[in-house]
Amino acid sequence: GAVVSQHPSRVICKSGTSVKIECRSLDFQATTMFWYRQFPKQSLMLMATSNEGSKATYEQGVEKDKFLINHASLTLSTLTVTSAHPEDSSFYICSARNSWDRVNSPLHFGNGTRLTVT
Amino acid sequence: AQTVTQSQPEMSVQEAETVTLSCTYDTSENNYYLFWYKQPPSRQMILVIRQEAYKQQNATENRFSVNFQKAAKSFSLKISDSQLGDTAMYFCAFMKLKTSYDKVIFGPGTSLSVIP
Repeated sequence: GAVVSQHPSRVICKSGTSVKIECRSLDFQATTMFWYRQFPKQSLMLMATSNEGSKATYEQGVEKDKFLINHASLTLSTLTVTSAHPEDSSFYICSARNSWDRVNSPLHFGNGTRLTVT
Repeated sequence: AQTVTQSQPEMSVQEAETVTLSCTYDTSENNYYLFWYKQPPSRQMILVIRQEAYKQQNATENRFSVNFQKAAKSFSLKISDSQLGDTAMYFCAFMKLKTSYDKVIFGPGTSLSVIP
């Protein structure tokens, strides 16, 4: 079945540094990918929609300069948390849908990245 | 804007029994999808079942079935013969189907515990 690979699964970084998270669709093309953030025991909050070859669409309240999204190819989107602070510590999940079967394809999720900023 | 509500933060059920998780949503759209996703302690999101709004027949997937009431904007999930592996967070989700940028909106979730 369709697989979305997300890397790394866990990362610890120091305050002020930047962290890049990769999301790859392994056996399908995705013109659109979605980045979610999840706090403990809470739901998934959509941060932004990543669009291949164009700018990402951010949800209200999400800082564009803090969370940089690049979708350079049909199978790869990256989320960079810039100048990370402890309050950015969270679980980040990416998802994608097969662009060639948008109607029938469900949303496939990566395994998530647990970010800890010290 | 679309919203998804799950009024049961936590539920428990005895193994082999049946449990129903509630979900309501608000939308002005006519064409959309509804989903139930499961998130076990591993935190991997797993699609449980999907319902197209234009289909009147309720979706079923083995032990999982839904009661879709479009007029009432209700979409409940019934789990039959509950198993220990069903213990997880369950999220109801909504997706309108208009553009290639269709995004999925999740409800707050219901934590289900299956008791041996």
